[in-house]
Amino acid sequence: GAGVSQSPRYKVAKRGQDVALRCDPISGHVSLFWYQQALGQGPEFLTYFQNEAQLDKSGLPSDRFFAERPEGSVSTLKIQRTQQEDSAVYLCASTRQGAGNTGELFFGEGSRLTVL
Amino acid sequence: GESVGLHLPTLSVQEGDNSIINCAYSNSASDYFIWYKQESGKGPQFIIDIRSNMDKRQGQRVTVLLNKTVKHLSLQIAATQPGDSAVYFCAETFTGGGNKLTFGTGTQLKVEL
Repeated sequence: GAGVSQSPRYKVAKRGQDVALRCDPISGHVSLFWYQQALGQGPEFLTYFQNEAQLDKSGLPSDRFFAERPEGSVSTLKIQRTQQEDSAVYLCASTRQGAGNTGELFFGEGSRLTVL
Repeated sequence: GESVGLHLPTLSVQEGDNSIINCAYSNSASDYFIWYKQESGKGPQFIIDIRSNMDKRQGQRVTVLLNKTVKHLSLQIAATQPGDSAVYFCAETFTGGGNKLTFGTGTQLKVEL
């Protein structure tokens, strides 16, 4: 498709389980971002990649969160030993801009994670 | 789906009226600003952007105003339609910041028929 694609759209996990969320950015987009959006709040930055390099992971809330983009295209956000406070929508965004420039970010529909 | 706008400030307008949504940004170094629209169950959708060398930018039915002195942004929607009902977020970033966006508190826009 032409837009950013995320899967799964909905994920229910039991506390302590590991989850993996996938993002397919727009083809050719250099930069890819992960955001976390709690209910009723704006998205908050987690991490971003320029091609396969993870340039900033300052927003990851704990070492249970891990993101990768090994070939500079598809990215996976992994959350280990999920906790209830991890429940949120995880948004992926991509842009054709590299790290030194600003430009429009295109967001996916998000993956809604519910931890029971 | 669940409401994105739960607990957010709400602006109610009549269909056909103009809407003005305000946003205060935090970083005086920010030089690129974007308004996003988010409908329930969907990701944020780009509406319009503005760079800090401009005070005003117009799109189709939308205008963004930037006041750098008081670090304030506004989004004006002309002739508001029911399809404009959504949560609106402003976001800021700065050149060299890796395009990392900081989102403001959203505003729920409700259009009444």
